[in-house]
Amino acid sequence: AQTVTQSQPEMSVQEAETVTLSCTYDTSESDYYLFWYKQPPSRQMILVIRQEAYKQQNATENRFSVNFQKAAKSFSLKISDSQLGDAAMYFCAYRSWGGSQGNLIFGKGTKLSVKP
Amino acid sequence: DSGVTQTPKHLITATGQRVTLRCSPRSGDLSVYWYQQSLDQGLQFLIQYYNGEERAKGNILERFSAQQFPDLHSELNLSSLELGDSALYFCASSQGQGNGELFFGEGSRLTVL
Repeated sequence: AQTVTQSQPEMSVQEAETVTLSCTYDTSESDYYLFWYKQPPSRQMILVIRQEAYKQQNATENRFSVNFQKAAKSFSLKISDSQLGDAAMYFCAYRSWGGSQGNLIFGKGTKLSVKP
Repeated sequence: DSGVTQTPKHLITATGQRVTLRCSPRSGDLSVYWYQQSLDQGLQFLIQYYNGEERAKGNILERFSAQQFPDLHSELNLSSLELGDSALYFCASSQGQGNGELFFGEGSRLTVL
């Protein structure tokens, strides 16, 4: 069975600085998807970024980028120029290639605080 | 606003009771997914419906059931409630079953006393 591990329960960053959230996963599959979701105090889960395992190029969405290391089974999220609105819980998630679109396996989450 | 609507937002009930949580997907979305978020188990996928039919099952207990109606709204029924069922229940929707984005609602907070 696949597992997702986020080893940092809490992180803190100064506004305008850069922070990296860690995620490792375990799988025997060669094709899969990886995601980062943001859950602000409003509770709604918001997709931040996604990566297909077959793509060597790291995904980027504006200030958010990932460092995908397939051999190491590592998928970290880098947030540049942190803003107060980035404060939230961040969840790393895994999905099998052929599986249900919604059958995501989530990590326990990292709570990110942004200091003004 | 994701366009996914969940009701009720908060619900308090007693052990042994039964509750129904409702989800209206985004306009045009055919797939609905249910998730449970608890302190013990974290976020878990429960079940998926596509255009009225069950498509995938996750860690859903036998005491729980769901359905999707012809108007595409979905209901999650939780029965014989236990203290451990206290959690945030999310609904998400997507257009199809492929690789499109999932859109989440704000969740229904269930407290079992």
